[in-house]
Amino acid sequence: QVSLKESGPGILQPFQTLSLTCSFSGFSLGTSNMGVGWIRQTSGKGLEYLATIWWDDDKYFNPSLNSRLTVSKDTSNNQAFLKITSVDTADTGTYYCTQRLTGSSGFDYWGQGVMVTVSS
Amino acid sequence: EIVLTQSPTTTAASPGEKVTITCLASSSVSNMYWYQQKSGASPKLLIYSTSSLASGVPDRFSGSGSGTSYSLTINTMEAEDAATYYCQQWSSNPPTFGAGTKLELK
Repeated sequence: QVSLKESGPGILQPFQTLSLTCSFSGFSLGTSNMGVGWIRQTSGKGLEYLATIWWDDDKYFNPSLNSRLTVSKDTSNNQAFLKITSVDTADTGTYYCTQRLTGSSGFDYWGQGVMVTVSS
Repeated sequence: EIVLTQSPTTTAASPGEKVTITCLASSSVSNMYWYQQKSGASPKLLIYSTSSLASGVPDRFSGSGSGTSYSLTINTMEAEDAATYYCQQWSSNPPTFGAGTKLELK
């Protein structure tokens, strides 16, 4: 069965770079039509889609955050990564990774989420 | 981007009562998705493609709508349905979510 789990630093300071890891099982990013998406939940904007990385290394970013986001993957180890540069307090929230399937517009499987706090 | 406006923001229902949550889109969308989030948990997909039940979801849940107006209905409220519900669209990039409707048990 599909399972995902996020990990990250917990707390970081303004202007630092946030690095998150999604470790998953039950599917592979080496398989066609598979992807991992990132969504966050903040008090300011609620649920907000961030980005997706696909099996073929194609990527899609939310235009509102595009310049600050980087996604990558380690197919052999079933991991996906998200980086957000120059964080501020508005980036405080819970970050989720999700399985993505080509042609699907919903989010079927979510990780448990990882809480990130940006504070000086 | 398409803005999804949910109503009500908060509501309460007694066991057995019917509950309807609406989601209005700022532009027409072809499909709507609905999620349930309980306290401390990640969102769970309830309804996909407007009206299809996700796996394992009780049939007291149903979805309907078209264009700019969609709704989620719980036919008979149960205690375990107390949660926050979100609508989501991806007919237009980027995908967006509603702000949520908190459903409490009366």
